[in-house]
Amino acid sequence: KQEVTQIPAALSVPEGENLVLNCSFTDSAIYNLQWFRQDPGKGLTSLLLIQSSQREQTSGRLNASLDKSSGRSTLYIAASQPGDSATYLCAVSRAQKLVFGQGTRLTINP
Amino acid sequence: DAGVIQSPRHEVTEMGQEVTLRCKPISGHDYLFWYRQTMMRGLELLIYFNNNVPIDDSGMPEDRFSAKMPNASFSTLKIQPSEPRDSAVYFCASSATQGRSQPQHFGDGTRLSIL
Repeated sequence: KQEVTQIPAALSVPEGENLVLNCSFTDSAIYNLQWFRQDPGKGLTSLLLIQSSQREQTSGRLNASLDKSSGRSTLYIAASQPGDSATYLCAVSRAQKLVFGQGTRLTINP
Repeated sequence: DAGVIQSPRHEVTEMGQEVTLRCKPISGHDYLFWYRQTMMRGLELLIYFNNNVPIDDSGMPEDRFSAKMPNASFSTLKIQPSEPRDSAVYFCASSATQGRSQPQHFGDGTRLSIL
């Protein structure tokens, strides 16, 4: 059974810092890995999707990497801003089914 | 595009009552997913449909839960009878089949409280 773990559960950093969020998964037979953002009281917003054949994806200040063989992914956020404060979830997919981690709650302090 | 639309946004009801949650997926999307989010268990997939047909309902917790998709633009998730442990946020998501992997788009969820 696929298990997804995100460490740390919570992270607080000052504005402007670069930071890395971590995601690990137990079964490397995945189709893709996705990073989502969830704001309080809202649904999930897809940030980046990395296909199983890819190593990384970039969107603006965000960069996500995937090492399928070791079962790890990282989300790098450059020059963090208070608006980046949210919970970040990673999810791995097999066919259409997503298995989510518990998320990292990120707070960026002005 | 309007995005995935869920209703109601909040539902408070007493134990034993029937609860119906509704979802309108993004037009043109052929996959629809129902998830449940709790503090203890995180986000769990309950069921998903492809072209209105249920494909995998292995995440549905009990027979008290049922889901339907009568057409491409509407789906319901019903709980009958409801119990306090069903209290959670229920999300609907949709995605399109364009190549192998497409992101899922989520609605804002229904926050359900069973008293």
